[in-house]
Amino acid sequence: GQNIDQPTEMTATEGAIVQINCTYQTSGFNGLFWYQQHAGEAPTFLSYNVLDGLEEKGRFSSFLSRSKGYSYLLLKELQMKDSASYLCAVRRRRALTFGSGTRLQVQP
Amino acid sequence: GAVVSQHPSWVICKSGTSVKIECRSLDFQATTMFWYRQFPKQSLMLMATSNEGSKATYEQGVEKDKFLINHASLTLSTLTVTSAHPEDSSFYICSARAGEASGFTSNEQFFGPGTRLTVL
Repeated sequence: GQNIDQPTEMTATEGAIVQINCTYQTSGFNGLFWYQQHAGEAPTFLSYNVLDGLEEKGRFSSFLSRSKGYSYLLLKELQMKDSASYLCAVRRRRALTFGSGTRLQVQP
Repeated sequence: GAVVSQHPSWVICKSGTSVKIECRSLDFQATTMFWYRQFPKQSLMLMATSNEGSKATYEQGVEKDKFLINHASLTLSTLTVTSAHPEDSSFYICSARAGEASGFTSNEQFFGPGTRLTVL
């Protein structure tokens, strides 16, 4: 089976940096994804890691350590529109298993 | 870009009726489509994996006779909720994985906008 853990809620200030952690236990690991989801909408793709290290894409970066079963999503220069749920998802073979999501609230 | 559409975007039905939800890949061929369900304030739960021209693979605990999946072409998969009951009310989201021939990497999975089902 798979077990994916991430914090339920986080709060940060506009303009700041926030790191959302995700730990996982799985067999047959085939990549880790981060998605952003606003309330009532479908998830949108943010990042993908399959090898150890940091992937940077604009204000968003994602890190993976396969040996530790650990990933984080780093959001820089936070904006109010970044208030959303952030979903960590692990791929095993073809299907994704999602964590419960972290609700991020950005405050002025 | 890769666009996935779902129809309808929302539906309200009476208990005991059946509801069909369509998922279409608009500008690429989807070798595999996935159906998820999401209850309020919860994460997405994979219901089934659908491959074009073959039977869907259902996750443990998902009734295949209640949630009928048909993937008749490389651009269309349908989910039919049969004899819907109030507990089936949820947000149903499909995603599509493009084949290599479509020009996308196998890493990419594109989500539809979701269908909100309310069963009275």
